[in-house]
Amino acid sequence: DAMVIQNPRYQVTQFGKPVTLSCSQTLNHNVMYWYQQKSSQAPKLLFHYYDKDFNNEADTPDNFQSRRPNTSFCFLDIRSPGLGDAAMYLCATSYPLAGSTDTQYFGPGTRLTVL
Amino acid sequence: GQNIDQPTEMTATEGAIVQINCTYQTSGFNGLFWYQQHAGEAPTFLSYNVLDGLEEKGRFSSFLSRSKGYSYLLLKELQMKDSASYLCAVRGVSSGSARQLTFGSGTQLTVLP
Repeated sequence: DAMVIQNPRYQVTQFGKPVTLSCSQTLNHNVMYWYQQKSSQAPKLLFHYYDKDFNNEADTPDNFQSRRPNTSFCFLDIRSPGLGDAAMYLCATSYPLAGSTDTQYFGPGTRLTVL
Repeated sequence: GQNIDQPTEMTATEGAIVQINCTYQTSGFNGLFWYQQHAGEAPTFLSYNVLDGLEEKGRFSSFLSRSKGYSYLLLKELQMKDSASYLCAVRGVSSGSARQLTFGSGTQLTVLP
C-alpha cells in the first residue's frame, strides 16, 4: 500500500544532542511537510518542500533544519534540542495537481523525548 | 493570518448523532478539511469542502458556509471507535508554491456506552 513512513516512532535524545528524524513516502507526492504537535495542541507547520524548493515558516526556530535528497525522503534535523522541543513530529505529503483537492496525508509521527 | 475555533471537548452516547462546529477567520480561503486523530497517532483525512453545502461520506458529513466562516462535522450512529480528536483545518491562498493548512486545536470527542 502507498503510504507515508516515519522512523523511528519514538526517539529519545539528550538536551543539546543533535537528532535526525526521517520520513519516506511511496505516494510519489511532490510536496512534503514537517509539523510539530505538542500535547492537546494543533499541528504547527515548520516547513515544507515543493519538489526541491524549500519553504520555511517565518516562526520556525533556526534550530530546525530539513533536507530532501530525493522525492521519496525528507529529514528533520534538530541541531541542539531543548526541553521545549519535546513533541510529536508529523510528516505529511500532498500532490497539488490542478483540480485536485491537494489533501495532505500524514505519517504515523515520531514522538521525541528530550532528557 | 488565520484563526480557527472549535470546542475543546464533547461527549456523546453510542448510537447517537453529534455535530462538531468550527468557525474560522482567514485572510484567504481555499478549502476546509476535517481530520480524525486518535491519541498518539497521526491525523487521518475525513472530508474536504471548498464550496458551500453538505458533503456526505457514509456516517460522516461536513458542511461549509463560506459567508459565515463556519463548518461542521456531523457524525451519525456513533461507535466507541469514534472517540478521538477531530481537527478542523483551513487552507489559505498562499503566494508560495504550495498552499498550507492551518489547524484548529481539535475537539476531543468521547463516546460513552
